[in-house]
Amino acid sequence: EADIYQTPRYLVIGTGKKITLECSQTMGHDKMYWYQQDPGMELHLIHYSYGVNSTEKGDLSSESTVSRIRTEHFPLTLESARPSHTSQYLCASSEPGTTSTDTQYFGPGTRLTVL
Amino acid sequence: AQSVTQLDSHVSVSEGTPVLLRCNYSSSYSPSLFWYVQHPNKGLQLLLKYTSAATLVKGINGFEAEFKKSETSFHLTKPSAHMSDAAEYFCVVSGSGTYKYIFGTGTRLKVLA
Repeated sequence: EADIYQTPRYLVIGTGKKITLECSQTMGHDKMYWYQQDPGMELHLIHYSYGVNSTEKGDLSSESTVSRIRTEHFPLTLESARPSHTSQYLCASSEPGTTSTDTQYFGPGTRLTVL
Repeated sequence: AQSVTQLDSHVSVSEGTPVLLRCNYSSSYSPSLFWYVQHPNKGLQLLLKYTSAATLVKGINGFEAEFKKSETSFHLTKPSAHMSDAAEYFCVVSGSGTYKYIFGTGTRLKVLA
């Protein structure tokens, strides 16, 4: 079992609220990722980081932002939540190595519902 | 460009019978291929990965997959299904020199008693 944690596991909030989804890993991994997963669909990368103070947007356009101030912590923030943000958000990290062969370790996910 | 196609969205098998989950890929590079499993309300767990070594890859929980370049396939198999195998399975491709994981849409495996 990988040591990567996400909080909260479930969140129901109203439109317009600011929220932060937390992700922490204790493995010392430099690379971290945020994915969005909708039922019956593939995971889509929305943000990634190669290390402290390094963040990039992924393939799927997202109104969220991320920060990487500490190696172990990679929070995702929505400034003003909307119903279209309702989804499951998965955080992952990967061990050092040749990028294409990296194994990504996933957290349990945060299921977000915006009313 | 890379892509991955999981040919079945749902598979049902009886306990004790073989499991076959099908995955085809497309990649301009020598791909790395992965199978992950996701149990309800849990994160994704790596089952196995192919990284250009042996074409038959053995994973955890009795699963294995065979990389067939001529067929661009990476099907997941298990000789005998167990009730605890019921879950969602994702095939993933990653290309040379890229951070990107490209996920399939998943196959939901149901195991009947």
